[in-house]
Amino acid sequence: GAVVSQHPSRVICKSGTSVKIECRSLDFQATTMFWYRQFPKQSLMLMATSNEGSKATYEQGVEKDKFLINHASLTLSTLTVTSAHPEDSSFYICSAKGQLTGELFFGEGSRLTVL
Amino acid sequence: GQNIDQPTEMTATEGAIVQINCTYQTSGFNGLFWYQQHAGEAPTFLSYNVLDGLEEKGRFSSFLSRSKGYSYLLLKELQMKDSASYLCAVKDSNYQLIWGAGTKLIIKP
Repeated sequence: GAVVSQHPSRVICKSGTSVKIECRSLDFQATTMFWYRQFPKQSLMLMATSNEGSKATYEQGVEKDKFLINHASLTLSTLTVTSAHPEDSSFYICSAKGQLTGELFFGEGSRLTVL
Repeated sequence: GQNIDQPTEMTATEGAIVQINCTYQTSGFNGLFWYQQHAGEAPTFLSYNVLDGLEEKGRFSSFLSRSKGYSYLLLKELQMKDSASYLCAVKDSNYQLIWGAGTKLIIKP
């Protein structure tokens, strides 16, 4: 199956700093990628849909100025958590849509801890 | 509103069979997915159903009844490594994925 790579897998940062998470589709082109957040023992929550070459579409309640998404190429989308606070600590997961069934291929996830 | 229901937690014995149910109420239907998620890891794809019936893939099978808004994931010959959360997700009329909260499956020796 298709491979999606996410980096970094773990990051610890100080409150007030910004963190960038990269999501790459390694063997296919992904015009659409999705960013999710998952708190412990909860299901995936869609944050935004990232479209190559255009602005991301954010879900209700997600601050677009805090969670900056850039999808500059067909294989790379980035999520930047700006001015991170402890409540932003979570597991962030990206996925890219497969071209046939619409199956989602997930990155490994990035665990963010804000001190 | 849109809703997907699945049991919060299930327990089964190694070597046995377990069925995880999922019922959904969504605005339109364009397919149902099952994903497996081990603790601390991203989900991995298990199955996709868009037509009624049973799809078998090795030890895992998935069933769909669109008229009943119902699906189940059947796991046979359970192994300890099958201990994970199993997520049901439905693609609605806007092709948006609606996620269930997941079923935590605990396998006992």
